Amino acid sequence: GESVGLHLPTLSVQEGDNSIINCAYSNSASDYFIWYKQESGKGPQFIIDIRSNMDKRQGQRVTVLLNKTVKHLSLQIAATQPGDSAVYFCAEITGTASKLTFGTGTRLQVTL
Amino acid sequence: NAGVTQTPKFRILKIGQSMTLQCTQDMNHNYMYWYRQDPGMGLKLIYYSVGAGITDKGEVPNGYNVSRSTTEDFPLRLELAAPSQTSVYFCASTGGGGYTFGSGTRLTVV
Repeated sequence: GESVGLHLPTLSVQEGDNSIINCAYSNSASDYFIWYKQESGKGPQFIIDIRSNMDKRQGQRVTVLLNKTVKHLSLQIAATQPGDSAVYFCAEITGTASKLTFGTGTRLQVTL
Repeated sequence: NAGVTQTPKFRILKIGQSMTLQCTQDMNHNYMYWYRQDPGMGLKLIYYSVGAGITDKGEVPNGYNVSRSTTEDFPLRLELAAPSQTSVYFCASTGGGGYTFGSGTRLTVV
């Protein structure tokens, strides 16, 4: 079936460097995507979203890029901090009930 | 404004026991969802509801039941607990804008 997946299960970056987390999706009809951050023992926390009519969206230290041609989504975190260490999920919205379909996640480890 | 509240936070069940995971939201959201998350995995949709009195199956509904008698509450019922239902369960809601997740219920079936 349709699914959302991630390329890298674990990403280690040094504090202060930029991080890039990638996601491939397969449902070409999806028109809304969200990146979530999940810390240990907590629920998913919204980071940033993007609609399919956009290629790029920026937030505070985060940027999401959407390439519909190759069905690829990325999350860029600038000046990565220890507090950014977590698991990051991309999710796509499908259907009239706005159901979220999650990928398996990428663990971001920030080293000092 | 508490957002989405889930109870209990932790529970250990014996095989064959039943329980209800509670979920309440105070944001007047029409859409509510139940997800389960196995270790190292993403969230999978169990059931969802687009409004009071309306529920539908998600990706992994077997072994679960839900009801939605009010806008605020969306309980998830396990009738005959099995070890395969050991997981962390998240409830979420949306009113058409962002999604709000509860803090989760960690369930272990032994």
